[in-house]
Amino acid sequence: QQQVKQSPQSLIVQKGGISIINCAYENTAFDYFPWYQQFPGKGPALLIAIRPDVSEKKEGRFTISFNKSAKQFSLHIMDSQPGDSATYFCAASYTNDMRFGAGTRLTVKP
Amino acid sequence: DAGVIQSPRHEVTEMGQEVTLRCKPISGHDYLFWYRQTMMRGLELLIYFNNNVPIDDSGMPEDRFSAKMPNASFSTLKIQPSEPRDSAVYFCASSFGTTVRFFGPGTRLTVL
Repeated sequence: QQQVKQSPQSLIVQKGGISIINCAYENTAFDYFPWYQQFPGKGPALLIAIRPDVSEKKEGRFTISFNKSAKQFSLHIMDSQPGDSATYFCAASYTNDMRFGAGTRLTVKP
Repeated sequence: DAGVIQSPRHEVTEMGQEVTLRCKPISGHDYLFWYRQTMMRGLELLIYFNNNVPIDDSGMPEDRFSAKMPNASFSTLKIQPSEPRDSAVYFCASSFGTTVRFFGPGTRLTVL
């Protein structure tokens, strides 16, 4: 069952622009929300993660915004670069149960 | 550490054949996960182990799939007999504790 809904399915952004990917979850028991980045031919790799006790986490150009009441969280990529072109997956987990979104294919045009 | 190692990276086989995928997790990690990735269904958890013991195999699609972890440094996922609908990328991931999962490079399986 789809417990994490991710949008958009694909995204095209110009170099230097802001990329925004959104996710919504259903299970209020989830307490860990990671974002994974996957390049073609590679496995997903952890990019940034947040716990629900904070509303925002920033690491370099990557920021997670978290809205606990709306059960939504989003990834913002500032100053997007062609090297950011990849597929991004949000996820939500509680102990061993980690559910992934369907993924967003990001293309950053030079 | 070399990260999670999977072999083979690519496998092409014919319907009905047995397929064995292999995984070496990161040393010291106590959890091992097998995932399947397809365009239609995204990333699906098939089975996971904790300290070499299978904990949840509810994601295994059917009895044709089986997984073992004979020791802390090796796991296999076997499909017998294979079918064209099993074509996908299979990922192994490991973690210490239950949060951050480190994925291997995947095995791209094509069943003709």
